[in-house]
Amino acid sequence: EVVLTQSPATLSLSPGDRATLSCKASQSVSSFLAWYQQKPGQAPRLLVYDASNRATGIPARFSGSGSGTDFTLTISSLEPEDFAVYYCQQRSDWPLTFGGGTKVEIK
Amino acid sequence: EVQLVESGGGLVKPGGSLRLSCAASGFTFSNYRMNWVRQAPGAGLEWVASISSSSRQIYYSDSVKGRFTISRDNANNSLYLHMDTLRGEDTAVYYCARDLQSSSSNFAYWGQGTPVTVSS
Repeated sequence: EVVLTQSPATLSLSPGDRATLSCKASQSVSSFLAWYQQKPGQAPRLLVYDASNRATGIPARFSGSGSGTDFTLTISSLEPEDFAVYYCQQRSDWPLTFGGGTKVEIK
Repeated sequence: EVQLVESGGGLVKPGGSLRLSCAASGFTFSNYRMNWVRQAPGAGLEWVASISSSSRQIYYSDSVKGRFTISRDNANNSLYLHMDTLRGEDTAVYYCARDLQSSSSNFAYWGQGTPVTVSS
């Protein structure tokens, strides 16, 4: 099973700051990694798939990078609506797995 | 507009059974792999099961294998999850999710979730 480790667990930032979230895989997942955003009481929303492709309707301030075992989600300038929990997920191998999440909170 | 609406959740005793349904609309259901993902209270996301468009390929997480059965009815645009021998650790919100592309395993569309509580 591919284990995804997200860091940090919590990121305390202010609106306008740059956010950098990390996801490390226990083995190579090539570029088969996605990022999701989840707000309280809501279903997750797909942000980025296959490491660097933004999903439909996702603002350009969200960008993904990486390949193999190391991946990054960058939010270039935090908007108030971006404070949420972010999860990575791999589709390289079964079982599909998610990381434990990074909470981006208002400082 | 893609819509996924789950139903069937509720309170069930340990060892009991439950069947979840997901009604799909706004897309050609028979063209897409479908999935169940769950989230225990205060916890992260956990993939549960996936079924290919034709039902030929089915995958389960180890935590539910042998107890849960995923199925679909393409004629009625519906996805199901039959859950047997339920345990306390199965307590979660269960989401139905559609792949981004036909079998991409990127979860592009989600339902609102249906809560399942396993407790005596």
